[in-house]
Amino acid sequence: DVKVTQSSRYLVKRTGEKVFLECVQDMDHENMFWYRQDPGLGLRLIYFSYDVKMKEKGDIPEGYSVSREKKERFSLILESASTNQTSMYLCATRLLIVGTEAFFGQGTRLTVV
Amino acid sequence: GNSVTQMEGPVTLSEEAFLTINCTYTATGYPSLFWYVQYPGEGLQLLLKATKADDKGSNKGFEATYRKETTSFHLEKGSVQVSDSAVYFCALSVVGQAGTALIFGKGTTLSVSS
Repeated sequence: DVKVTQSSRYLVKRTGEKVFLECVQDMDHENMFWYRQDPGLGLRLIYFSYDVKMKEKGDIPEGYSVSREKKERFSLILESASTNQTSMYLCATRLLIVGTEAFFGQGTRLTVV
Repeated sequence: GNSVTQMEGPVTLSEEAFLTINCTYTATGYPSLFWYVQYPGEGLQLLLKATKADDKGSNKGFEATYRKETTSFHLEKGSVQVSDSAVYFCALSVVGQAGTALIFGKGTTLSVSS
């Protein structure tokens, strides 16, 4: 089974802090994604990566950056956390093959105070 | 562009009732279609998928048929259980569009009472 592990289930950070969310997968998938989930808005794509050191902006990249130094690890960085970044963050992975599904981590509930 | 529209929730049903959650899509290419389910406190997990027109995906009593003529992928179940209470997301992917990221609808919350 594919395993996608996010480093924290719950985080509480202060406004202005630099925040790192880590995601590790064990199935050698090329694609990795970061989404945020908010009530009434569904899942919105923040960034994704299809290879080591490659990254592409999604629909809402402002205020975020990412890092992919190794194939199995994809980090989301909030450079200066703000209260409007309080959300559920979901990491996902996927093979680079048409029609394959994405596998999700359990999510990180981030609260910025 | 590509997008997914699914019916607004919440949907509230009694146990053993019939369930339909509507999903329609727009896509500039030829999409693969998915239904994901999210149980309380958990991440998303794949419920079923279909990769070409007229394909029917099925799992755990849920079914959805890829209808290209109506650009739809409605989720159905003949008899829901309390354990089906969750949020359901319809999604699509199109190769070459935002890489291969899945595009999700806003989700439909299903609540089943005994």
